[in-house]
Amino acid sequence: GDSVTQMEGPVTLSEEAFLTINCTYTATGYPSLFWYVQYPGEGLQLLLKATKADDKGSNKGFEATYRKETTSFHLEKGSVQVSDSAVYFCALSGRSAGNMLTFGGGTRLMVKP
Amino acid sequence: GAGVSQSPRYKVAKRGQDVALRCDPISGHVSLFWYQQALGQGPEFLTYFQNEAQLDKSGLPSDRFFAERPEGSVSTLKIQRTQQEDSAVYLCASSFPLMAAAATDTQYFGPGTRLTVL
Repeated sequence: GDSVTQMEGPVTLSEEAFLTINCTYTATGYPSLFWYVQYPGEGLQLLLKATKADDKGSNKGFEATYRKETTSFHLEKGSVQVSDSAVYFCALSGRSAGNMLTFGGGTRLMVKP
Repeated sequence: GAGVSQSPRYKVAKRGQDVALRCDPISGHVSLFWYQQALGQGPEFLTYFQNEAQLDKSGLPSDRFFAERPEGSVSTLKIQRTQQEDSAVYLCASSFPLMAAAATDTQYFGPGTRLTVL
């Protein structure tokens, strides 16, 4: 079945550092890929998505490119801020009926001033 | 309302009690999903509705779990005879599919209900 593997955290960075959170997936067909973020005390929010190979999703300075050849969707940001501290989830949606999301285990990011 | 709402936000139950968790999706959203998120893990799919029809319940962990959406809007997830392993955050999400096979659609999540079974 479908699965998502993302790097374990916590990831601790200083403000303005470069961020990469790795995400790889296993799926049949051509899934859509998502990054969701969960800020402390809040619900899951969509950060960005890509729906076909080579698409790049971007939002709030974050970006991720759908790489079919490496089955990856790594999240990057050039300069993190303290306010980016949160848990980040990589997810995929297959083309089966219902299109439920399959999530990775989440990566906690802590940004220190 | 502007987003997906869930109630109660927190629920403490004694082992063996029945609980009911409510989800109000975004108005007009056809699809509704329930997920279970254990502490420190990613959400896991439980069940899916399209309008009032429950099209997939493959993720429900046992027959103690039951979900309904009788009028195609509000949904209730019921857990009978709760067990300690049921302790988790239960998330509801809704989406408005733009086409029949809409894996591209964004799911909008509610804040979740944190269930603690003692």
